[in-house]
Amino acid sequence: GNSVTQMEGPVTLSEEAFLTINCTYTATGYPSLFWYVQYPGEGLQLLLKATKADDKGSNKGFEATYRKETTSFHLEKGSVQVSDSAVYFCALRGNFGNEKLTFGTGTRLTIIP
Amino acid sequence: EPEVTQTPSHQVTQMGQEVILRCVPISNHLYFYWYRQILGQKVEFLVSFYNNEISEKSEIFDDQFSVERPDGSNFTLKIRSTKLEDSAMYFCASSTGTDTGELFFGEGSRLTVL
Repeated sequence: GNSVTQMEGPVTLSEEAFLTINCTYTATGYPSLFWYVQYPGEGLQLLLKATKADDKGSNKGFEATYRKETTSFHLEKGSVQVSDSAVYFCALRGNFGNEKLTFGTGTRLTIIP
Repeated sequence: EPEVTQTPSHQVTQMGQEVILRCVPISNHLYFYWYRQILGQKVEFLVSFYNNEISEKSEIFDDQFSVERPDGSNFTLKIRSTKLEDSAMYFCASSTGTDTGELFFGEGSRLTVL
């Protein structure tokens, strides 16, 4: 079945540091890939997505590229801010019918000023 | 912007009691989901629902759980006899049904079973 392996946290960075959160997946076919973010006390929000190989999703300075050859979708940001502190979830969704989202374990990110 | 709304935001109940969590999906969406997140753990799929029936359910979704769309707008999750381990945040989500479409999540209902 489908699965997502995500970099274990927690991750603590200083403001303006470069961020990478690794995500790899296992799936049949050609899934869509997502990053969701959960800010403290809030629900899940879509951060970015990519629906086919070599697509790059981007939002709020975050980027992730769908790499089929390495089955990866790593999240990056060049300069993080305190407001980026949250839990980040990598997820995939198969393209057969309307499949469910499968989530990774989540990575808690804390940015210190 | 349309959003998924969930009620209650927090419910405390005694073990063995029935609980109903309510969700109003985005109005033109056709697919509905429940997920749960035990504190500090991953987000787990419970069930998906389409055309008034369950499309898929996980091992977690046993006979104690049921879902219903009683009136064309609400989408409910019922837990018949709650257990301590049902304590979690429960998220409702909906989607349009396109193959690459994202799921839109509500803010969650926190269930505490004592």
